[in-house]
Amino acid sequence: DTAVSQTPKYLVTQMGNDKSIKCEQNLGHDTMYWYKQDSKKFLKIMFSYNNKELIINETVPNRFSPKSPDKAHLNLHINSLELGDSAVYFCASSATGDQPQHFGDGTRLSIL
Amino acid sequence: AQSVSQHNHHVILSEAASLELGCNYSYGGTVNLFWYVQYPGQHLQLLLKYFSGDPLVKGIKGFEAEFIKSKFSFNLRKPSVQWSDTAEYFCAVTGGSNYKLTFGKGTLLTVNP
Repeated sequence: DTAVSQTPKYLVTQMGNDKSIKCEQNLGHDTMYWYKQDSKKFLKIMFSYNNKELIINETVPNRFSPKSPDKAHLNLHINSLELGDSAVYFCASSATGDQPQHFGDGTRLSIL
Repeated sequence: AQSVSQHNHHVILSEAASLELGCNYSYGGTVNLFWYVQYPGQHLQLLLKYFSGDPLVKGIKGFEAEFIKSKFSFNLRKPSVQWSDTAEYFCAVTGGSNYKLTFGKGTLLTVNP
């Protein structure tokens, strides 16, 4: 009965590869997010979707492409992975944009 | 654009000590304020939130925070910390029409038994 679940939990891959991280929420929330947490624990928003519509797109390389097939899912696809992409990626959701966010357990991405 | 600053990077306390973690934000309009906690190896969890009304808000696990509008501050307090409070604490704010949640850089709290 996990509220926000993301897979995989760990992702180890080589530079130049393409990978995807999936996120699903069963809270009935309208808004979903992707965050990147760097090695110093700094959390920065990457994208936000409201009812499948992109509403926040921070300064993120266009190698990162979010996809929301429905309001319960927000997947993140990354092309041509680089060393600097190594981080923990968190998915989150909220009922509406101003409500508290519920976070997934994170995906630790390591680029070799 | 909104921003959040947390004054302390790392705070080390002994059990039963009192805690206050500073948080200041900059934004010209109405804001919603949050404190999140991240225990080692876990995801972020909401500790407490302020939207409006009583500026002193109480959260889970004995934490509270006070919103002082004139100082643009939302400091987190706990009268007596426990070893299990060891975690990273993040202050965050939303404001504006897109409700973007902006986090501070976090404060690592270490509580020694």
